[in-house]
Amino acid sequence: GENVEQHPSTLSVQEGDSAVIKCTYSDSASNYFPWYKQELGKRPQLIIDIRSNVGEKKDQRIAVTLNKTAKHFSLHITETQPEDSAVYFCAATIHGQNFVFGPGTRLSVLP
Amino acid sequence: DADVTQTPRNRITKTGKRIMLECSQTKGHDRMYWYRQDPGLGLRLIYYSFDVKDINKGEISDGYSVSRQAQAKFSLSPESAIPNQTALYFCATSDLSGEKLFFGSGTQLSVL
Repeated sequence: GENVEQHPSTLSVQEGDSAVIKCTYSDSASNYFPWYKQELGKRPQLIIDIRSNVGEKKDQRIAVTLNKTAKHFSLHITETQPEDSAVYFCAATIHGQNFVFGPGTRLSVLP
Repeated sequence: DADVTQTPRNRITKTGKRIMLECSQTKGHDRMYWYRQDPGLGLRLIYYSFDVKDINKGEISDGYSVSRQAQAKFSLSPESAIPNQTALYFCATSDLSGEKLFFGSGTQLSVL
């Protein structure tokens, strides 16, 4: 079955700097890769996703890149702000099937 | 707003007790899921249901049972609570595409 690894487990950046979180997956058939953000004490929420037929997707300050050959995908946050502090989860799935989540990355944006 | 509601928000119980975690949704989604969150382990799937008559085991179903009482209701029971079931539990729903998960607010279960 699918296995998703995520690095780093914790990440601290200065406000205004960029943050990058990387995930690798094992099943080459996976074709949908969402990212969820969980603020402290709250529920996870989808922030961006990418399908296997696309190499990059952007939404304002966040972007996701996908390298199908290497089986890895990354979340990029630019101009980080305190409200970006949260736990971020990547996931991989074959479309319509269940997600396999990574273990999460705790991002802290320092003022 | 359409939402996913979990009750209770917090529950403390003793080893061996039978309890039920409840989830209801007003999103009109057919697919419902139960996940368990442990620090450093991410979100792991316990059970999922694609409609009222469909129940499937997930990655970590041992020691749990579920019931899909209606399209809008999906409940989870640790069969006989044990301390290693102490965790944060999330219910989630999705439409038929299965792409976007909508999570409930979570239930923190503590088994003493």
